[in-house]
Amino acid sequence: GQNIDQPTEMTATEGAIVQINCTYQTSGFNGLFWYQQHAGEAPTFLSYNVLDGLEEKGRFSSFLSRSKGYSYLLLKELQMKDSASYLCAVVDSNYQLIWGAGTKLIIKP
Amino acid sequence: DAMVIQNPRYQVTQFGKPVTLSCSQTLNHNVMYWYQQKSSQAPKLLFHYYDKDFNNEADTPDNFQSRRPNTSFCFLDIRSPGLGDAAMYLCATSREPQEEQYFGPGTRLTVT
Repeated sequence: GQNIDQPTEMTATEGAIVQINCTYQTSGFNGLFWYQQHAGEAPTFLSYNVLDGLEEKGRFSSFLSRSKGYSYLLLKELQMKDSASYLCAVVDSNYQLIWGAGTKLIIKP
Repeated sequence: DAMVIQNPRYQVTQFGKPVTLSCSQTLNHNVMYWYQQKSSQAPKLLFHYYDKDFNNEADTPDNFQSRRPNTSFCFLDIRSPGLGDAAMYLCATSREPQEEQYFGPGTRLTVT
């Protein structure tokens, strides 16, 4: 079967750095997405990785290791507005998007 | 300007009373998706269209139907809503299946 694992919940302090991990086992791989979803709202795109390595975009960075079936999202200089769920999703060999259940990130002052 | 629009944002229906949710897009994307999302869960794909080609997920109940009359519009029909169908319904689009998906704001469905 296909599976994506993320921690259910994480807590971090405003101004700090947090790393959210994602491991996947899918039938094939055609890219990995990270989305942010605030409570009661729709997901919004954060990043896309298809090759190994780190992609940096402002305060957010995403890393991929295809050989390990592993990705992480790194959030720097945390702000209260970063409190949200972060969803990892993988495109499989049939170009279907397989979603993780998301990691709820709680930011404390 | 909103690129993926869903109406209504909130819908209350009675048990067993048919309901239709609508989605429109201004992106001219090939692919349109309908997801169901319950609290603290991953979005669950119900259907997707590549242009007019309809793809039904194997575990989508027959109670759910969809229509895409043209590129811009897509509808989700729930023929006989049950209490378990209360959820957020998300419409999304992408240019190609492996590309970034753009989501509408969602319709929160309540079944009484």
